[in-house]
Amino acid sequence: EVVMTQSPVTLSVSPGERTILSCRASQSVNTNLAWYQKKPGQAPRLLIHGASSRATGIPARFSGSGSGTEFTLTISSLQSEDFAIYYCQQYNSWLTFGGGTKVEIK
Amino acid sequence: ELQLLESGGGLVQPGGSLRLSCTASGFTLTTYGMSWVRQTPGEGLEWVSGLSVRGEYTYYADSVQGRFTISGDKSKNTLFLQMNSLRAEDTAIYYCAKDAGYTSGLGSFDVWGQGTMVTVSS
Repeated sequence: EVVMTQSPVTLSVSPGERTILSCRASQSVNTNLAWYQKKPGQAPRLLIHGASSRATGIPARFSGSGSGTEFTLTISSLQSEDFAIYYCQQYNSWLTFGGGTKVEIK
Repeated sequence: ELQLLESGGGLVQPGGSLRLSCTASGFTLTTYGMSWVRQTPGEGLEWVSGLSVRGEYTYYADSVQGRFTISGDKSKNTLFLQMNSLRAEDTAIYYCAKDAGYTSGLGSFDVWGQGTMVTVSS
């Protein structure tokens, strides 16, 4: 099983700040990597697929990069609606999710 | 607008069974790969099961293999998850999700339902 490890577990950020979330795979997943945003009581929302392609309707402030085992999700200027938990997911070998990074208000 | 709506969750005793349903609107469910993903209380997301385009292939996580069965009904545009021999650790919110591009149903997911809660407890 491909283990996905996200860091940090919690990130305290002020609105307007640049935010970088990390995701590491236990073995190469090529660019078969997605990022999701999850808010309480809501379904996950696809942000990024193919490691760097924004999903339909996702604002340009969200960007993804990486390949192989190291990936990042960058939010260029954090907005109030961006406070949430973010999950990475690999789909190169079956499907596994990371444990999530909670982005909270500083 | 593409939408998914789950139903069928509830409280069940250990060893019991439940069947979850996921009805699609705005698209034909069998033309896409589909999956079930669950979120356990206080924990993250776990993929449970997938169904390929036209229901040709089924896939299961090791944790549910042999106990859960995924299927689809084209006439009802509905995805199902039959869950048998339920355990306390199956307690979770269950989401159905549409694959964004993989016909296997084992890709990224661009449409999700709102989820249905399953509680396994005596």
